[in-house]
Order: sequence, then structure tokens, then C-alpha cells
Amino acid sequence: EVHLAESGGGLVQPGRSLRLSCMTSGFTFGDYNVAWVRQAPGKGLEWVGFIRATRYGATPESAASLEDRFTVSRDDSKAIGYLDMNRLKTEDTGVYFCVKEREGAGEKWGQGTLVTVSS
Amino acid sequence: EIVLTQSPATLSLSPGESATLSCRASQSVSRHLAWYQHKPGQAPRLLIYDASNRATGIPVRFSGSGSGTDFTLTISSLEPEDFAVYYCQQRDDRGTFGPGTKVDVK
Repeated sequence: EVHLAESGGGLVQPGRSLRLSCMTSGFTFGDYNVAWVRQAPGKGLEWVGFIRATRYGATPESAASLEDRFTVSRDDSKAIGYLDMNRLKTEDTGVYFCVKEREGAGEKWGQGTLVTVSS
Repeated sequence: EIVLTQSPATLSLSPGESATLSCRASQSVSRHLAWYQHKPGQAPRLLIYDASNRATGIPVRFSGSGSGTDFTLTISSLEPEDFAVYYCQQRDDRGTFGPGTKVDVK
């Protein structure tokens, strides 16, 4: 069974950094794109970024508004995806989901991890 | 950045009725559009990918259509479990989500 589990969320002060991890199982991790999506409290879904499958170069892309602070990466040997978030702002508060993509769509989602940016 | 708009913002219907949700892109996304169902406290669920392909395990009452800039999600006969928020997403150029359509009970 395909499973994704985010970790690394928590309370962090503005300006600090945080790394989220996405541990996966049940599929050949290197064959799939992995994306990150977030949801601020009371708001809709926001696409954060993704990293291509290894056979497509494992190249990342982030949302234009976030690319100077957020970076997506992957470790195929561990079947883990990462989201590195720098210079965090209060508006980055929300639930962060990691997503296994297939045909460019989010086929399977984790349950999410809550990030709270507050002093 | 490609902007997606969804209409209506809220759709109030009764079980058994059909629902038609619209998603419009600010520029062509070809057929690189997906639809998701999202309920509070749960992970979003993929319904449709590539504009019209049902994801694995999705009931046939869900159907998608469109290409270019205009897309539609149709739920042919609402079941009680279908009341939720629905999002469209494009992955033609990076990725963006629409603001969502809430389908609630009339």
C-alpha cells in the first residue's frame, strides 16, 4: 500500500528555517515526482513546489512567490522527500502536505504536518 | 503565473441532484488539469486528471471535461459523502490551484 507521512512541523519563530520530511513506502520512490502543497488556516490549497522523478533529472521547481525561500529535494536511497523553508514568515503558517504525483496530478497525499510561524 | 478561477464559490444542492463546477485558466493549460475533493481534517483526494480521466477508485458519477482554458467537473447524482470543497489544479506551468467550490447541503 502506498503511504506518505510528513514530519518536521512545529512552532518556529519568524526568520528561522525548517526542514520538512516526507517518508514514503509502497512504491518505487525514484520513479515519481514528489510535490508539496500547503493550506493556511481557513484558506484553500496552495501549490508550493515539486521535484521531478530521477529519470527526468530530479530537478525541482517551486512556486514563483516562494522560490527564493523554499527548496524541494529528494533522497531516493531513503525514499524521502524534503522541503527546506528559509526566512519563514507568519503567512507561511499552515498544514503542509507531501504528494506523490502521477501524470502530473496528486495521486496520493500524506496527512499533512502543521507549521506555525510565530514569535 | 497561471491563475485559476472557480465558479460558483458555493453550490447548495440536495442529495440526488447533479452538480456542475467550473474552472477557468488565465491562459491555456492544454489538458493538464486535475480536480480534487477535500473534506476538513482529511487529505485531498484526486478525482480527475488530464481534464477527463477518472482516478483509480473514483465513482463514475464524477466526470471531467474541457481543454485549453475552460473546464468542468460534473457530479451526476450527489451522494451524501460528496458534500465537500472541490479544487481544480493546473500543472502545465509549475502548479496552481483554484480557490475552490464548496458543495453544501441545501
